[in-house]
Amino acid sequence: KQEVTQIPAALSVPEGENLVLNCSFTDSAIYNLQWFRQDPGKGLTSLLLIQSSQREQTSGRLNASLDKSSGRSTLYIAASQPGDSATYLCAVRRVRYSTLTFGKGTMLLVSP
Amino acid sequence: DADVTQTPRNRITKTGKRIMLECSQTKGHDRMYWYRQDPGLGLRLIYYSFDVKDINKGEISDGYSVSRQAQAKFSLSLESAIPNQTALYFCATSRGEGPVGNEQFFGPGTRLTVL
Repeated sequence: KQEVTQIPAALSVPEGENLVLNCSFTDSAIYNLQWFRQDPGKGLTSLLLIQSSQREQTSGRLNASLDKSSGRSTLYIAASQPGDSATYLCAVRRVRYSTLTFGKGTMLLVSP
Repeated sequence: DADVTQTPRNRITKTGKRIMLECSQTKGHDRMYWYRQDPGLGLRLIYYSFDVKDINKGEISDGYSVSRQAQAKFSLSLESAIPNQTALYFCATSRGEGPVGNEQFFGPGTRLTVL
């Protein structure tokens, strides 16, 4: 059974710092991996989706990398801002038509 | 307007009551999903549907049922609610085709409290 772990569970940084969130998964045979953002009491917003054949995806200040062989993905946030404060979740899909398995998330707080 | 909507947004009910949570989407996606989120447990899949005639159990389907009334509508029912079904419930959709077709998009959630 696929297990997804996110470390750290919580992170607090001052504004302007570059930071890395980590996601690891036990079964490296994945189809793709998706990073989400969740604001308190709100739904999930898709940030980036990386196919198993890709090494990274970028959107604005966000860069997600994937190392399938080692079962790891990282989400890099450049020049963090208070508006980046949220919980970040990663989820993996085993095969093309399978469902997602989620990690428990990293709660990020960026202080002004 | 939101692409994926859920009603109600908040609901407080009593043990033993029947509850229906509804999800509608205007994205034109074939695939729809129901998840619940609990503190410390993350998101867990309850049921999913790949088209109107397709219903599949997820990780934690016991105590729940679903109905896919149309491509755009997917409802979740708790036949006899119990307190440990208190959670945040999310509906999600995905297109299903192409390299990014299974990217999932989430509704705003329904906070359900069972007393």
